[in-house]
Parts: sequence; structure tokens; C-alpha cells
Amino acid sequence: KAGVTQTPRYLIKTRGQQVTLSCSPISGHRSVSWYQQTPGQGLQFLFEYFSETQRNKGNFPGRFSGRQFSNSRSEMNVSTLELGDSALYLCASSSPNKAGEQYFGPGTRLTVT
Amino acid sequence: GQQVMQIPQYQHVQEGEDFTTYCNSSTTLSNIQWYKQRPGGHPVFLIQLVKSGEVKKQKRLTFQFGEAKKNSSLHITATQTTDVGTYFCAGRSIRGAQKLVFGQGTRLTINP
Repeated sequence: KAGVTQTPRYLIKTRGQQVTLSCSPISGHRSVSWYQQTPGQGLQFLFEYFSETQRNKGNFPGRFSGRQFSNSRSEMNVSTLELGDSALYLCASSSPNKAGEQYFGPGTRLTVT
Repeated sequence: GQQVMQIPQYQHVQEGEDFTTYCNSSTTLSNIQWYKQRPGGHPVFLIQLVKSGEVKKQKRLTFQFGEAKKNSSLHITATQTTDVGTYFCAGRSIRGAQKLVFGQGTRLTINP
């Protein structure tokens, strides 16, 4: 089975721009979660989607949004980028049968200048 | 909200020494998971513990879940250079939103 894939792998944006990141989960996985990882804050939960519905949301401003499509692929969008949004954005998918086990993608490294 | 604290933040050992990282939650957990992230890599699932007092072993790694389901530990016996990385615990509270909350991680470095 192919693993979780994320595109793009690297991105450089300037303040005020917006960005869309994409995640394709492992085949058969219907749950997708997004995390922000920074050296200072560790892994911070952004949101979780299951069958196109947002199931949980972390404590991030409304500039951060996401969605999930019928094929379980997910996107997250960050609008009006700030310098502090520079981070590694990780997507993880999990199977309904093993809801605890999260399989992470390689991440998208976002740099905001 | 739910907090998961992990200590120590950093640990440097000589190859062959043992290593332990501890995880404490502010709320009772339904389960706890452990992940390993190699430098430059992404977190990789190691194990999930569900039962109070549960102990699981994977070769040189021993995982424990506390009786009160609020703390956990990971112990590595006789570390090897391949054990280098950051170890994260993550738990879901039995109450509330039940989102997965990660500890800050323990970064393990090893002197060969």
C-alpha cells in the first residue's frame, strides 16, 4: 500500500498571501488529521476530518481551514499568511478499524517571508 | 483544555545505556499512543495502550500505561544508534472533544 502523500513538499510564500496544502491518505483510510509542527510548540492539532465532516478542531485562528473530499483526500488552507505560520504541516490518516493508529505523511515545509 | 506533558525534553546517553521518557496527562485518557520521529523525518506510530496498567514490549522497548490512565512511560534497554530521534506520546481524553493531544516530545541523542 502506498503511504500518505502530501503536496507540495516545500513552499515559500510572503506575508499576506494564502496557501493550499494537499493530503492523500492511505487507500481505505477515511480519517485525516492535520498538525502543525514547530520547534517551539511541538505538534499542534489543527483539525480532523472523517467522511467529509470536520470531527474535531484545534485552537487555531479562522485563517486556518480545511476540507475533505468524497475520495478522502484533504486540503488545508491558510489565508493572510503571517511569519509565525512558518512550520512543517503534517497530515495523518487512520483506518476506521484502527482509529488510534495515525500514519503520517512526509509533511509540507512552509516558509513565510 | 487537555495538556500532555513529557519529560525530559532532551536526553543524551552513551550507546548501551538505558533511556526512559515519561508522559503525564492533565485528564484521564481513553488510550495513549507513542510515536518516533527521526531527524528530518515524520512521526511513525509505535504502539497504542488502552488498558489501565497495561505493559507492552517491542524488542528493547517497553511501554507502560498507568493505573489511573493519566501517565505513561517508554523505556529503551541498551540503546543503539538507530534509536536516535524524538519520541512523542499522544493521548485522547475520555471527555470532551477527544482530539489527539501530543506531548512536546523527548529528543534522544546517543554517543556511539
